[in-house]
Amino acid sequence: DGGITQSPKYLFRKEGQNVTLSCEQNLNHDAMYWYRQDPGQGLRLIYYSQIVNDFQKGDIAEGYSVSREKKESFPLTVTSAQKNPTAFYLCASRNRPNNEQFFGPGTRLTVL
Amino acid sequence: AQTVTQSQPEMSVQEAETVTLSCTYDTSESNYYLFWYKQPPSRQMILVIRQEAYKQQNATENRFSVNFQKAAKSFSLKISDSQLGDTAMYFCAFMKPTPYGGSQGNLIFGKGTKLSVKP
Repeated sequence: DGGITQSPKYLFRKEGQNVTLSCEQNLNHDAMYWYRQDPGQGLRLIYYSQIVNDFQKGDIAEGYSVSREKKESFPLTVTSAQKNPTAFYLCASRNRPNNEQFFGPGTRLTVL
Repeated sequence: AQTVTQSQPEMSVQEAETVTLSCTYDTSESNYYLFWYKQPPSRQMILVIRQEAYKQQNATENRFSVNFQKAAKSFSLKISDSQLGDTAMYFCAFMKPTPYGGSQGNLIFGKGTKLSVKP
């Protein structure tokens, strides 16, 4: 089945540690996205990538980094510079012809 | 900058009845896409319906339909014959076009409406 997977589902981090969230898709989509969701908020864009080896900052990129070495994979690193990293993180990919975005199941990150 | 506003933080509806969720947006663009997404308690984001701004006909997907008023910048979602499984957060989203035409597919979301369907 085609889809987007994110791992792990739950992640706990100590303050000062970097942590990497995984996102993989087998939909053959070129574009991929990372969003952050906080309680009572909509989703906010962290980073996006239109093609392999290229990515751009979204609205809240500070304290985050990404890579796009393969079409299928778009990992997100939450660095120690991110002041308030506890949130729900969603990865998505876009079907370019009709511009529909499909989402993974998300990762809940908690900083202890 | 584009913004999306959902003015109803919470709504409830009786099973089998009809409910309408409101969404307004602000943009100076003439061509764009609008979406409604559903997020049930599992937190999986599910695309409900899509509307292209250049199409005057309102989109419909089974029990879900939209009322797209381009001049008023309004994009409401109507759910007919509400079912218990419709209980979820509903997010309205705008697809941001690039300055050079086309679209990089960046979505701008409203804060959501929590819909409860009561038996």
